Amino acid sequence: KNQVEQSPQSLIILEGKNCTLQCNYTVSPFSNLRWYKQDTGRGPVSLTIMTFSENTKSNGRYTATLDADTKQSSLHITASQLSDSASYICVVTRNGGFKTIFGAGTRLFVKA
Amino acid sequence: NAGVTQTPKFQVLKTGQSMTLQCAQDMNHEYMSWYRQDPGMGLRLIHYSVGAGITDQGEVPNGYNVSRSTTEDFPLRLLSAAPSQTSVYFCASSYSGVAGLYEQYFGPGTRLTVT
Repeated sequence: KNQVEQSPQSLIILEGKNCTLQCNYTVSPFSNLRWYKQDTGRGPVSLTIMTFSENTKSNGRYTATLDADTKQSSLHITASQLSDSASYICVVTRNGGFKTIFGAGTRLFVKA
Repeated sequence: NAGVTQTPKFQVLKTGQSMTLQCAQDMNHEYMSWYRQDPGMGLRLIHYSVGAGITDQGEVPNGYNVSRSTTEDFPLRLLSAAPSQTSVYFCASSYSGVAGLYEQYFGPGTRLTVT
């Protein structure tokens, strides 16, 4: 069964600290993996997209990694800010383009 | 560009009522899709369209209809609302970017409650 599982479900960190969010998937055949940020009451916004051949992609303080052999990805946030408080969603697309499987997300709270 | 717009932002329906959620995009994207987001679950695809006049079912299509008469608009119709359709609905549009990757843009969502 095609699934995307994220951990932890929620996380609280202090402003300025780093954190890492995890994503494991069983989607096959694999096309690409995306990380989205979703602020409360808003739609998801894309952070990174990685294909099979890419193992790291950065977007400012966000760095995503992909291990296609173990079917794991992580999103590392450096020097967290209050505005990083949001849900972070891992999404895997099956080969063939359009069918995407969304993880349930990790809810991150950054405290001052 | 306004991007992807959705109306209404909030809606309360009684069981059995019908309504249409509106979605429009001004980016000339070929692909549009509707998702629902429920607590503790990932977004699930309801219906999608790969171009004007072409639609297809996603993972959870029952109880919903769509049509795509223009590139810009992709309305979602609830035929007879049920409490199980209480959810937040997101519309998204996509284009086939570099290497065929679909860069997807989401609207702000419609929060629907069915009583």
